[in-house]
Amino acid sequence: NAGVTQTPKFQVLKTGQSMTLQCAQDMNHEYMSWYRQDPGMGLRLIHYSVGAGITDQGEVPNGYNVSRSTTEDFPLRLLSAAPSQTSVYFCASSEGWGYTFGSGTRLTVV
Amino acid sequence: AQSVTQLDSQVPVFEEAPVELRCNYSSSVSVYLFWYVQYPNQGLQLLLKYLSGSTLVESINGFEAEFNKSQTSFHLRKPSVHISDTAEYFCAVSAPVQGAQKLVFGQGTRLTINP
Repeated sequence: NAGVTQTPKFQVLKTGQSMTLQCAQDMNHEYMSWYRQDPGMGLRLIHYSVGAGITDQGEVPNGYNVSRSTTEDFPLRLLSAAPSQTSVYFCASSEGWGYTFGSGTRLTVV
Repeated sequence: AQSVTQLDSQVPVFEEAPVELRCNYSSSVSVYLFWYVQYPNQGLQLLLKYLSGSTLVESINGFEAEFNKSQTSFHLRKPSVHISDTAEYFCAVSAPVQGAQKLVFGQGTRLTINP
């Protein structure tokens, strides 16, 4: 059972570059979400999806895009990376209250 | 909307001493409450949860939390900590959104155990 798989684990980007953080789950969960973790700020919700074809914004959506074409995948796109997007990103899927988190992607924007 | 406030960003304690990590929440609807733990350089793990029923919930490694509806609190306690409890602890609430449960986290409390 893979659970929630995030790739890559580490990434360094230059300011202005774009990239996609991948997230895949094999539990057939309808609900998926992306968080960013910054020191002293906990985990903040970026975007979430309640099912294929349905996405919505969380607390800190600016600078990020998402899509949900399948139940399994929920990629997070950085359109034009900025140093303020340096963070650890976690993807999660859930059924009811039961959340499963990925192992995270550590992103540095220079 | 829901929000969570963890009242202490850092808590240093000596080994075998008791500890309390404080958490308050606000919500206009009924919520589920959680504590997650993140050990150094690792992901998030569920420590314990309150869904309904008994207001005192326990984890397998000796932590407990009590749901207090009137105080809107869900403080985490352990009577005697160990070095291995060094980690960051996150309080969270979930609330219904379009048939799912959206999770909102507090700012985190870094627990440091000194020998």
